[in-house]
Amino acid sequence: GENVGLHLPTLSVQEGDNSIINCAYSNSASDYFIWYKQESGKGPQFIIDIRSNMDKRQGQRVTVLLNKTVKHLSLQIAATQPGDSAVYFCAGPDKLIFGTGTRLQVFP
Amino acid sequence: EPEVTQTPSHQVTQMGQEVILRCVPISNHLYFYWYRQILGQKVEFLVSFYNNEISEKSEIFDDQFSVERPDGSNFTLKIRSTKLEDSAMYFCASSVRGTMNTEAFFGQGTRLTVV
Repeated sequence: GENVGLHLPTLSVQEGDNSIINCAYSNSASDYFIWYKQESGKGPQFIIDIRSNMDKRQGQRVTVLLNKTVKHLSLQIAATQPGDSAVYFCAGPDKLIFGTGTRLQVFP
Repeated sequence: EPEVTQTPSHQVTQMGQEVILRCVPISNHLYFYWYRQILGQKVEFLVSFYNNEISEKSEIFDDQFSVERPDGSNFTLKIRSTKLEDSAMYFCASSVRGTMNTEAFFGQGTRLTVV
């Protein structure tokens, strides 16, 4: 089955810097991934998705990169802001299996 | 903007009691889900529901759990006899299509505390 996990539990960045959150998956047949953001006390909120026929997808201040060769995807946040502080989950396509999550802390 | 709503936001119950968690999915969505998140841990899939029946469930979703769509708007999760380890945040989600290649929208969650 799918196993989606994250490398680092906590990432601390300075306001204005770029953030990179990583995620690994095990099922090479996975063809769709989503990044969710979860703020304290709230439910997961969709950020961006990517299909396996793409290597990169950009949104507003966020970019997701997919490397199918090593089964790895990353979320890049440009000019990180205090409001970006949250736990970020990558999720696979089947039942939206979530990784453990990375807590992003933004300090001034 | 349409959203998934869950009630109550916090439920405290005694061990062994039955609880019903309620959700109103987004109106044009057809697929519904329940997830739970034990404090500090990852979000775990419980069950998916489509066309008035369970389409998939996890090992967590044992005989103590049941789901129902009693009318055209509500989607409920019932825990028949709560245990201490059922304490968690429970999230309802809905999507237009199945989980393949589509995002799911999550509610704000119900915090269940079993004492």
